[in-house]
Amino acid sequence: DARVTQTPRDKVTEMGQEVTMRCQPILGHNTVFWYRQTMMQGLELLAYFRNRAPLDDSGMPKDRFSAEMPDATLATLKIQPSEPRDSAVYFCASGSGRAAEQFFGPGTRLTVL
Amino acid sequence: ELKVEQNPLFLSMQEGKNYTIYCNYSTTSDRLYWYRQDPGKSLESLFVLLSNGAVKQEGRLMASLDTKARLSTLHITAAVHDLSATYFCAFGQGAQKLVFGQGTRLTINP
Repeated sequence: DARVTQTPRDKVTEMGQEVTMRCQPILGHNTVFWYRQTMMQGLELLAYFRNRAPLDDSGMPKDRFSAEMPDATLATLKIQPSEPRDSAVYFCASGSGRAAEQFFGPGTRLTVL
Repeated sequence: ELKVEQNPLFLSMQEGKNYTIYCNYSTTSDRLYWYRQDPGKSLESLFVLLSNGAVKQEGRLMASLDTKARLSTLHITAAVHDLSATYFCAFGQGAQKLVFGQGTRLTINP
C-alpha cells in the first residue's frame, strides 16, 4: 500500500521553539512538495524538490523556514523560531513524471502557542 | 498572476439533485486535476485531465476540461450524502507544480 507518510501528525509548541516535520514520499517518486493549509489562505505551496534538489522555495518565509531532502526517502521542513502565525496544517505530497497527480500525506497539524 | 477561481465556494444541495462546480484558470495549461478533501483529512486525487476535451467519470462524478476556455467542470449527478466534502481543482504549471483553487465546500442534505 504505497502512501506518503508524515510525522508528527500533531504538534503543539510554544512560540520561539524549533519545529521539524518529516515526510517519507512514495517509493520511486522523484518529486516532493510541501504545502501549508489555513482557513484564511487556503492551500499554499511552500517548496518542492525534484530528485532531492530544491526547485522552488519562493513560497516559504526564508528567515525562519528551511526545507531539505537528505535522501530519497526523507524530506524535512523546519521552522525556527516558530510563531503563532505558523499554526496550520502542513502537507507533504509526492509525484513522478510531468503529468502525474500529486499524492498527499496525512498532514501535520501545527499549533504554536 | 497565476490564479484558479472556483465557483461556487459553498454549495448546499439536496440528495438526488444534479449540480456543477466550475473551475477557471488564468494561464495556458494542459493539465487539470480534481481533489477531494474530507474535514480534518488529507487531499485525495479524483481526476487527472490531460487534454482539451478530456472527460472522465467515476461514479456520480464527471470532470471535463476545455483548455481553450481555460475551464474545467465537475458535475455531480444524483448527489448522495457521502459526496459531502471540499473539492479542489488545480492546474499544472511548469514541470510538475500545481496551482490550487480555493476549494468548493459541498454539503449534501438528506
